[in-house]
Amino acid sequence: AQKITQTQPGMFVQEKEAVTLDCTYDTSDQSYGLFWYKQPSSGEMIFLIYQGSYDEQNATEGRYSLNFQKARKSANLVISASQLGDSAMYFCAMTTGGGNKLTFGTGTQLKVEL
Amino acid sequence: DAGITQSPRYKITETGRQVTLMCHQTWSHSYMFWYRQDLGHGLRLIYYSAAADITDKGEVPDGYVVSRSKTENFPLTLESATRSQTSVYFCASIQWGAPNYGYTFGSGTRLTVV
Repeated sequence: AQKITQTQPGMFVQEKEAVTLDCTYDTSDQSYGLFWYKQPSSGEMIFLIYQGSYDEQNATEGRYSLNFQKARKSANLVISASQLGDSAMYFCAMTTGGGNKLTFGTGTQLKVEL
Repeated sequence: DAGITQSPRYKITETGRQVTLMCHQTWSHSYMFWYRQDLGHGLRLIYYSAAADITDKGEVPDGYVVSRSKTENFPLTLESATRSQTSVYFCASIQWGAPNYGYTFGSGTRLTVV
């Protein structure tokens, strides 16, 4: 069975600084997908970025990048130039074996300060 | 608007009552999912469906029933609500073979069982 671990319950970052949110995963499958979602205080789940296990390049979407280290089984989210609107809960998630069931970590609460 | 619509947004029900949460999507995505979100657990999969008339259990299915007679609808029924089912419920969908577009989530239903 797959598992996602997010070890940072909460983090603070100064506005305009970069921040890295940690995510490690555990699976025996060679084919898997890694996702990051943002959940602001309003509650909706917003898709940020996706990385496939066979993708050779790290995924990037605007200010978001996924630092994919396959050997270490880590998929950290990097947010560059943090903004106040980035304050939210962030979830790492994965699918495995070509399936479509998303397994989530417990999340990291990010607070961006002036 | 196109997307996933969940109803109701908020619901209070009494222990022992049956309650149905509705989920409707307009994209004709093949896969649909029900998750519950609780503090400290992230999102956990209750049930999912690969297509109309095909459903399967997720991580925490006990006490829930689903059906999918039409591709666009995926209702979740609590047969006899218990206080432990107080949670925020999210419906999600994804088209098979398109993980890079991410899973799309509804706005959630906050259910309180008293």
